[in-house]
Amino acid sequence: QKEVEQDPGPLSVPEGAIVSLNCTYSNSAFQYFMWYRQYSRKGPELLMYTYSSGNKEDGRFTAQVDKSSKYISLFIRDSQPSDSATYLCAMSPLSYDKVIFGPGTSLSVIP
Amino acid sequence: ETGVTQSPTHLIKTRGQQVTLRCSSQSGHNTVSWYQQALGQGPQFIFQYYREEENGRGNFPPRFSGLQFPNYSSELNVNALELDDSALYLCASSLRQGGNNEQFFGPGTRLTVL
Repeated sequence: QKEVEQDPGPLSVPEGAIVSLNCTYSNSAFQYFMWYRQYSRKGPELLMYTYSSGNKEDGRFTAQVDKSSKYISLFIRDSQPSDSATYLCAMSPLSYDKVIFGPGTSLSVIP
Repeated sequence: ETGVTQSPTHLIKTRGQQVTLRCSSQSGHNTVSWYQQALGQGPQFIFQYYREEENGRGNFPPRFSGLQFPNYSSELNVNALELDDSALYLCASSLRQGGNNEQFFGPGTRLTVL
């Protein structure tokens, strides 16, 4: 079993839809949770960074962490064609520790 | 404030050769991590450097080595290249302060091994 699992998609939604992206993990030591967006042939761009369980909102993006279920989610409201990218979940056990990434979910938002 | 930069952008090598990739950290950052991203996969942690010392290593053989310089720039060296080393190599910089683990990535170097 991989440490971090993520549905690779591809996921295709119409413009304006609410998008839900999810990851599960097996290592209960993970405490820091991140979501990155990666456009084709570019480096990952940090979207959300959360510590432990709970919700965090930033504009159209909401990150949720449920440590009891080892499950994290990213919601994108009012999705735009510019949101079309690969979304990577990532996590680490300690501050400054190595970051473990999921394989990424490819998202297409159709105008 | 400048972001993370990497050079070169693309590189083609043959099996058995050696390669050096370079990274300049974001201004003010003191920690750099290197990742390997195969096509269609998430980045995999290679190692991290903090204050010029290796500070954690992933499941990569010793032929992957690195350096961090006093100005916090960094190099990744790979010896005896293998075909499976073909990937996007990413560096990420961060500031080790408090409980912060936010890493900011460069655009990557795409390495092709023939």
